[in-house]
Amino acid sequence: DTGVSQDPRHKITKRGQNVTFRCDPISEHNRLYWYRQTLGQGPEFLTYFQNEAQLEKSRLLSDRFSAERPKGSFSTLEIQRTEQGDSAMYLCASARGGAYEQYFGPGTRLTVT
Amino acid sequence: QKEVEQNSGPLSVPEGAIASLNCTYSDRGSQSFFWYRQYSGKSPELIMFIYSNGDKEDGRFTAQLNKASQYVSLLIRDSQPSDSATYLCAVNDRYNQGGKLIFGQGTELSVKP
Repeated sequence: DTGVSQDPRHKITKRGQNVTFRCDPISEHNRLYWYRQTLGQGPEFLTYFQNEAQLEKSRLLSDRFSAERPKGSFSTLEIQRTEQGDSAMYLCASARGGAYEQYFGPGTRLTVT
Repeated sequence: QKEVEQNSGPLSVPEGAIASLNCTYSDRGSQSFFWYRQYSGKSPELIMFIYSNGDKEDGRFTAQLNKASQYVSLLIRDSQPSDSATYLCAVNDRYNQGGKLIFGQGTELSVKP
């Protein structure tokens, strides 16, 4: 299996701009997760999908964040009107049906200036 | 009280020694437990998972789970400098084992040659 892939790997944007990240899960993994990680902390859950259904969204996620997985394959995470506090590593993970182990992609490092 | 707690370290051990990493969790209903290794600037890599009380061994790694004490540990035998990384403990959401993982802040391990 090829692993989880994420694009872009790095993104620098100015405050107030919108950004979109893409995640391609391991093939045949039907669950897909988004996490955010800041320096010195463990990953923090944002949202997850089973197939195309978004099953849970963190209460910490503001309305500026939205995620989609329209055909149950790749997913996108959009951040509108970025703020400096959004600077972090955005991680995508996937898991196959019937298993609990999650496998992470390389992440997208976002810097908001 | 944090849901998942780890000593942040750094934990320093000499090459060839046993490194012992510890994690406690607050939700007695948690069912699944994971250890991830994260090199600086990289994404987390799953190295062990354990679902039942007792020990689980994989090569130089042993995961130990004690649900009564709400304690999970990772032992690394014959530690190598390449084991130097941050080790993240994660537990699943007790209401949805296929859902989000809750991470500790990680323990930094340094193996000295």
